[in-house]
Amino acid sequence: QQQVKQSPQSLIVQKGGISIINCAYENTAFDYFPWYQQFPGKGPALLIAIRPDVSEKKEGRFTISFNKSAKQFSLHIMDSQPGDSATYFCAAGGLNTDKLIFGTGTRLQVFP
Amino acid sequence: EPEVTQTPSHQVTQMGQEVILRCVPISNHLYFYWYRQILGQKVEFLVSFYNNEISEKSEIFDDQFSVERPDGSNFTLKIRSTKLEDSAMYFCASSSGGATETQYFGPGTRLLVL
Repeated sequence: QQQVKQSPQSLIVQKGGISIINCAYENTAFDYFPWYQQFPGKGPALLIAIRPDVSEKKEGRFTISFNKSAKQFSLHIMDSQPGDSATYFCAAGGLNTDKLIFGTGTRLQVFP
Repeated sequence: EPEVTQTPSHQVTQMGQEVILRCVPISNHLYFYWYRQILGQKVEFLVSFYNNEISEKSEIFDDQFSVERPDGSNFTLKIRSTKLEDSAMYFCASSSGGATETQYFGPGTRLLVL
């Protein structure tokens, strides 16, 4: 029940294309859903986060779509750039826990 | 921009030895965390620390692990007797609130147990 499932494991996108990464959770107590970006040799850095009172949040080229009834959320990267090449982790947290539960990660490669 | 720092960046140790991983969280943050990431795998929660005590820990965080905030700036993770399976990247994180506030991660310490 504490798991967050993430897909795909890897993703190859052409520059300018749309990258879509999906996550699903089981525990309805989760109420905070961040996405982290990690470059090789670096720590995860928060990219964008959403709470379940909204169905979508957009920041620049990055959008989170949230489907509370399906217990799914996804990250959309519009106009993907080579500099977006990194590993992306979805995560889930809640008021009753201190921890973030991370998904398994998606390695995104954007080719020029 | 304030950031979480960690030392050392790399640590190689022999099985059974003690290691201490050090972190300096962002100065006005009150919540501190340790996570680990085994090579190629997901980031896993180890422990959270607030108000000078452990607030939550995972099954991974057994008696071999301990955390301490020895002064007003440092936050340490001690592994008493390292095992081969402790080899991982260890990340410290801090936040100004609980888990629903942004957790800022440090660059990590890569621990290799031989």
